[in-house]
Amino acid sequence: GQQVMQIPQYQHVQEGEDFTTYCNSSTTLSNIQWYKQRPGGHPVFLIQLVKSGEVKKQKRLTFQFGEAKKNSSLHITATQTTDVGTYFCAGENAGGTSYGKLTFGQGTILTVHP
Amino acid sequence: NAGVTQTPKFQVLKTGQSMTLQCAQDMNHEYMSWYRQDPGMGLRLIHYSVGAGITDQGEVPNGYNVSRSTTEDFPLRLLSAAPSQTSVYFCASSYSPDRGAEQYFGPGTRLTVT
Repeated sequence: GQQVMQIPQYQHVQEGEDFTTYCNSSTTLSNIQWYKQRPGGHPVFLIQLVKSGEVKKQKRLTFQFGEAKKNSSLHITATQTTDVGTYFCAGENAGGTSYGKLTFGQGTILTVHP
Repeated sequence: NAGVTQTPKFQVLKTGQSMTLQCAQDMNHEYMSWYRQDPGMGLRLIHYSVGAGITDQGEVPNGYNVSRSTTEDFPLRLLSAAPSQTSVYFCASSYSPDRGAEQYFGPGTRLTVT
């Protein structure tokens, strides 16, 4: 079945440093979504990428979708303590009848030291 | 709108007991799903529904049953609880089963099976 691998599992940074998490799928995706989960909270939708090579920005966050639609990345510039949490990618398999079925990566836990 | 609500927030069961985790949404979403979250494993799909009267299995369905008699409600039943079902359970919903609809998550139910 489809597998989505996310690295690194943990990332500790000093406030102001940059952060990147990478997501790789074993199969071609129709789209990829990114979620953030604060400690003790629930996942919250950040963004969705659909097109091959797509790049989207949200303030200090930059999201990319690979040309082959099998990988993606999230980059945070100049981290702040409010960025603390777990970042998940979630991919939907291309083709078939996988309506809305997301396969989540294991997540990257980000801690930011002030 | 209350969004996606889940009850209870916490539950302790003994091995062999059964119970139902409740999930409701007031956004008229067609698609609803149940995930479990375990440390280092991301979110894994248990069961999902693309509309009232329609359910299907996800990645880890064994030991769980679901039904969808109304658009609003999607309860998850544990038939005979086992320690391996200790986890945090999230219910999610989205506007439609079409590809790429962002998912809205409930606050979660933390379940411990002793």
